[in-house]
Amino acid sequence: DQQVKQNSPSLSVQEGRISILNCDYTNSMFDYFLWYKKYPAEGPTFLISISSIKDKNEDGRFTVFLNKSAKHLSLHIVPSQPGDSAVYFCAASGGATNKLIFGTGTLLAVQP
Amino acid sequence: NAGVTQTPKFQVLKTGQSMTLQCAQDMNHEYMSWYRQDPGMGLRLIHYSVGAGITDQGEVPNGYNVSRSTTEDFPLRLLSAAPSQTSVYFCASSTEGTGLYNEQFFGPGTRLTVL
Repeated sequence: DQQVKQNSPSLSVQEGRISILNCDYTNSMFDYFLWYKKYPAEGPTFLISISSIKDKNEDGRFTVFLNKSAKHLSLHIVPSQPGDSAVYFCAASGGATNKLIFGTGTLLAVQP
Repeated sequence: NAGVTQTPKFQVLKTGQSMTLQCAQDMNHEYMSWYRQDPGMGLRLIHYSVGAGITDQGEVPNGYNVSRSTTEDFPLRLLSAAPSQTSVYFCASSTEGTGLYNEQFFGPGTRLTVL
């Protein structure tokens, strides 16, 4: 049972445009959400997070939106740059567990 | 700071062999964890530790053992390797203040193949 889902395995966007990566979750007890970025042959690196008490969090070109009623979050990257090309993992935690549950990842390719 | 280091980077085992994946961090983090990454599966938690001497199971603990004798080190032992354990293994750590699931710092990974 996949509690955190990233339904798009890959996404391709042009440099300068907006990238939107989506994530859905099923466990209503999740109260903290994170995005990680991973380059090939490297470990994931933390990108941005959001608590369930908020619906938006910004950090430079990266914004995460949380829609609790839809159990959906999204990561917006504006403007997209070729260096943003990587796999992006959504993760969630909360409720009865303090463990981090990851989605399957979305491979973002930003074309120059 | 070296951050989180993992050795070896690559390893090939035969079915039934045992080995230990090493993980060390120099950030004085209380929390450490082990994940495996498989195609189409994301990262799945194997074992984690909230401090020296304390460990607990994650989502997929079978076939693995851990111990935490020091704050810095968190080795993962494969008792009898199976082809299903072919994967990329990541160690991660985080500060006590932010909790197990917050802003974990990951090592570069160990790519393990079991024949």
